[in-house]
Amino acid sequence: QVQLQESGPGLVKPSETLSLTCTVSGGSISTYYWSWIRQPPGKGLEWIGYVYYSGSTNYNPSLKSRVTMSVDTSKNQLSLKLTSVTASDTAVYYCARTTVIDIFDIWGQGTMVTVSS
Amino acid sequence: SSELTQDPAVSVALGQTVRITCQGDSLRSHYTNWYQQKPGQAPVVVIYGKNNRPSGIPDRFSGSSSGNTGSLTITGAQAEDEADYYCNSRDNSGNHVLFGGGTRLTVL
Repeated sequence: QVQLQESGPGLVKPSETLSLTCTVSGGSISTYYWSWIRQPPGKGLEWIGYVYYSGSTNYNPSLKSRVTMSVDTSKNQLSLKLTSVTASDTAVYYCARTTVIDIFDIWGQGTMVTVSS
Repeated sequence: SSELTQDPAVSVALGQTVRITCQGDSLRSHYTNWYQQKPGQAPVVVIYGKNNRPSGIPDRFSGSSSGNTGSLTITGAQAEDEADYYCNSRDNSGNHVLFGGGTRLTVL
């Protein structure tokens, strides 16, 4: 079955760039949308955006100026970059397989990223 | 503005029926999807689209919609249903995704 695994630094300094990778196993990255969603500690879910396997993207307007998503079909991976981070970007970051842009049917386990000096 | 509103907390007696609601203007045009999240775990979709349950989700979970409100109903709530529930859908433009603030369900 398809599994997703997020990876990346657990600690990022303020003003720097958060970079995460999501590796898809057990299936192809092709033909699906792939989303990033985050959850600050003790709070709700926030959609960051999605990348289609073709490379097209769509971002949350509130984060658009700082977000870049990409996909590497040869490695079956997707990536997230979030620039100029602040403490408010501290969260568990999830990648999720996405159908019809708003249905997240398979999720990774999530990775905690803390923004602190 | 585009947003989805949920009650922060709901409780239900074991074996009884509970409805969790999600309100938003965009729900007049788009389906509501529902996710269950237990502590320390990733969310799991329990209802998507008009009223579809993924494989493995018990049939006590069902979804419905009326006007600007989407609802998740659990008929005969079990102890294992105690969790946070999040609704999501699209915004008014249909191009972006929204999440509700979440409802914490307590099974008494």
